[in-house]
Amino acid sequence: LAKTTQPISMDSYEGQEVNITCSHNNIATNDYITWYQQFPSQGPRFIIQGYKTKVTNEVASLFIPADRKSSTLSLPRVSLSDTAVYYCLVGSFSGTYKYIFGTGTRLKVLA
Amino acid sequence: KAGVTQTPRYLIKTRGQQVTLSCSPISGHRSVSWYQQTPGQGLQFLFEYFSETQRNKGNFPGRFSGRQFSNSRSEMNVSTLELGDSALYLCASSPGPLPNEQYFGPGTRLTVT
Repeated sequence: LAKTTQPISMDSYEGQEVNITCSHNNIATNDYITWYQQFPSQGPRFIIQGYKTKVTNEVASLFIPADRKSSTLSLPRVSLSDTAVYYCLVGSFSGTYKYIFGTGTRLKVLA
Repeated sequence: KAGVTQTPRYLIKTRGQQVTLSCSPISGHRSVSWYQQTPGQGLQFLFEYFSETQRNKGNFPGRFSGRQFSNSRSEMNVSTLELGDSALYLCASSPGPLPNEQYFGPGTRLTVT
């Protein structure tokens, strides 16, 4: 099973682009990568999901290199409301269904 | 559509007791997963159900069990509670059968004294 690691915390200023990287060295062929955002006292909220290369939606981009051993969540022009904990999740459904969450990155956006 | 609901939101139990937590997924969603979240261990996968079948289980002792009903609602049970079971228990649903985007409920905060 893939083990995922992330930086514990990051600080950024409003309006900047933030990149959060997740390492998943043992990712399997059929595994996919998902990123979630969590505010205090709430459940995680889906941000973006991908398998390889680049995926973009209205709130973020996800970059996955060819070897898929890491992934980078990119948040363009963050605001104070983006202060939260961000988790990467490696989902395995190669005959089994297991979900390995990363350690989480606490992002603090400063004014 | 209503989101994922979990009941109760808060619960205090004593060591040795058992507890049952409930989760109602988003209407039409057939997959329900359960997670335990603690400051020390982070988010850990407990088990996942699809169409009333447990498809897999995380690395938790047998004291943790669950089930899913025909209407996709799910319950998880923890028997013989230990202090270390104090955690936020999160339920997530997805349309299935592939476990793609998951929608999480607000969680049940369990405190074991």
